[in-house]
Amino acid sequence: GAGVSQSPSNKVTEKGKDVELRCDPISGHTALYWYRQRLGQGLEFLIYFQGNSAPDKSGLPSDRFSAERTGESVSTLTIQRTQQEDSAVYLCATGVGTGSGELFFGEGSRLTVL
Amino acid sequence: AQSVTQLDSQVPVFEEAPVELRCNYSSSVSVYLFWYVQYPNQGLQLLLKYLSGSTLVKGINGFEAEFNKSQTSFHLRKPSVHISDTAEYFCAVRMRGSNYKLTFGKGTLLTVNP
Repeated sequence: GAGVSQSPSNKVTEKGKDVELRCDPISGHTALYWYRQRLGQGLEFLIYFQGNSAPDKSGLPSDRFSAERTGESVSTLTIQRTQQEDSAVYLCATGVGTGSGELFFGEGSRLTVL
Repeated sequence: AQSVTQLDSQVPVFEEAPVELRCNYSSSVSVYLFWYVQYPNQGLQLLLKYLSGSTLVKGINGFEAEFNKSQTSFHLRKPSVHISDTAEYFCAVRMRGSNYKLTFGKGTLLTVNP
C-alpha cells in the first residue's frame, strides 16, 4: 500500500486478555518504530527495528509487552495480560534507515482495556 | 538523553490571527529537530524539519520554525491561521550521530475558531 497500515484500528478487550496489534510498513522502509500515545501525553517510544539488526527494546514498559518483525516486513506488537493502564493509541512509524530521515506514521490502533 | 518541552498544551486562536507554538529541547549533543502535525482521526505527518544550515525552516501549509541554538528552542509559527489548521502539533528531537530515537513533546492542541 501507499502508507503505513495498522490493524485493528480499534480494539476493546477485557483486563487480563492478550492482544496483538499489526503494522504493515511502507515497502522498502527498513526502520520501524512502535510508539504509545496515552490521552493528553506525548508519544512514548516502545521499540525500534532496523533491518535484521537486534531491535532496541529499551522503551517496552514491562515484560508483558513484546514485538516481532522479520526482516523488513510486517511487525506485531503483543501485550499479554492487559491492564487498564495499557489503554492508549499504539502508533507504528517507518522510515528509510536512521539519521535525519522522516518517519511515516500509521493512523494507530486504539486499545481500550475494560 | 534528550527531552522536549512544549510549553502550551492548548492554544486557541481566531482565524487569520498569527500563532506561535513553543518548543524547547534539552540534549548533550547536536540534534535534528522536527515538527509533526496530527489532524483529527489521522496519523502524524511531518510539517517541517531542521537538519543544518539556515536556522529558519519553511514547511507545508505556510508554517515555519526557527532554530535557536543558544535558547535551545524550535518554535513553530504561522502568520495567519485557517480553520483547517486545527490539529495537534508535536515537536520532536533526535540526536545526531548513531542515536536514532525520536523523542516527542507532549503536543500542543491548536484550535482555530471562526
